Amino acid sequence: EIVLTQSPGTLSLSPGERATLSCRASQSVSSSYLAWYQQKPGQAPRLLIYGASSRATGTPDRFSGSGSGTDFTLTISRLEPEDFAVYYCQQYGSSLTFGGGTKVEIK
Amino acid sequence: QVQLVESGGGVVQPERSLRLSCTASGFTFSLYAMHWVRQTPGKGLEWVALISYDGMNKYSADSVKGRFSISRDNSKNTLYLQMNNLRTEDTAVYYCARGGGGNYAYLDYWGQGMLVTVSS
Repeated sequence: EIVLTQSPGTLSLSPGERATLSCRASQSVSSSYLAWYQQKPGQAPRLLIYGASSRATGTPDRFSGSGSGTDFTLTISRLEPEDFAVYYCQQYGSSLTFGGGTKVEIK
Repeated sequence: QVQLVESGGGVVQPERSLRLSCTASGFTFSLYAMHWVRQTPGKGLEWVALISYDGMNKYSADSVKGRFSISRDNSKNTLYLQMNNLRTEDTAVYYCARGGGGNYAYLDYWGQGMLVTVSS
């Protein structure tokens, strides 16, 4: 099973700042089959990024994904108030597994 | 618009059974693989099971293998999760989700979630 480790656990930032979230896999994720989700309290996760760097329909362009192999990054270029949430990575190259999440909170 | 609506959750005693349903609308259900994912406060998101678009291929997580069974009725646009021999550690919010492409895939639409509580 591929284990995904997300860091940091919590990111405290102010609106307008840049957020950089990391997702590290225990083994290489084939074909960059890596997705990112956003989840707000009481809501289901929402797909943001798939294929490591492709934005899902409706994802604002301030969200970008990058990486390959075992190291992946989600970047939010300028945080908007609605971006404060928990973010999860997920790999689908070998079964499906999720990371433990990174909470982006208002500083 | 794509909608997934779960039903059938609730409180159940250990070792009992429960069946969740997920009714889909707004897309051609029979063309997509479907998944169940659960979420607990302690363990985060955990993939539970998937079924191919035609129901011919089914896969599940080791934690539920032999106890949970995924199925679908394409004529009713409905996905099911039959949960048998429930354990307290199965307590979670259960989501159905649409696969983005192929069997193992990203999940592009999710239901609102259904709480299942296993407790005596």
